[in-house]
Amino acid sequence: TQLLEQSPQFLSIQEGENLTVYCNSSSVFSSLQWYRQEPGEGPVLLVTVVTGGEVKKLKRLTFQFGDARKDSSLHITAAQPGDTGLYLCAGDPQAAGNKLTFGGGTRVLVKP
Amino acid sequence: DVKVTQSSRYLVKRTGEKVFLECVQDMDHENMFWYRQDPGLGLRLIYFSYDVKMKEKGDIPEGYSVSREKKERFSLILESASTNQTSMYLCASRGLLYRTDTQYFGPGTRLTVL
Repeated sequence: TQLLEQSPQFLSIQEGENLTVYCNSSSVFSSLQWYRQEPGEGPVLLVTVVTGGEVKKLKRLTFQFGDARKDSSLHITAAQPGDTGLYLCAGDPQAAGNKLTFGGGTRVLVKP
Repeated sequence: DVKVTQSSRYLVKRTGEKVFLECVQDMDHENMFWYRQDPGLGLRLIYFSYDVKMKEKGDIPEGYSVSREKKERFSLILESASTNQTSMYLCASRGLLYRTDTQYFGPGTRLTVL
């Protein structure tokens, strides 16, 4: 079974600070997706990274896929209270099938 | 706007009851999934289906069954609900063509079994 480890599990910061969330595995993934989930809602896709070394920016969010496609990071610059939520990474294994492997999630709290 | 809808947002049932959770997607997706989400345990796959009438067990299928009679609808059934099945249940769907296809989630059903 391929596993994705997310760290940290919980992050509490002040508005305006930066934060980074990590998603690591010993397995290779053909693509990796990042989701944000707000309380009482389902996860919503933020970005998909496909190529090793790829960097994608979404306003104040920067996503990076490791060169070996085993790890990824999400960096938020100047965090705002609206960034509060559960961040999930999900990897698409190289093997056939359409099941994503999810990390355990990082709960982010941005205090005003 | 793409949509995955779940029949209930909140549900309270008694131990031993049969529970049906319904999920409908409007994107003509082949793949549909049922997860449960518990604090500290993340998202765990219960069952998934890659076509009508096809199903495969996920990581935690015990105590659950599923039904997919139509492409757009995927039902999760708890034959005899137990208190340890109290959880948030999330349905999702995903296309088949591309590995980068987005997986869309429904809003979730918070089930409490008393």
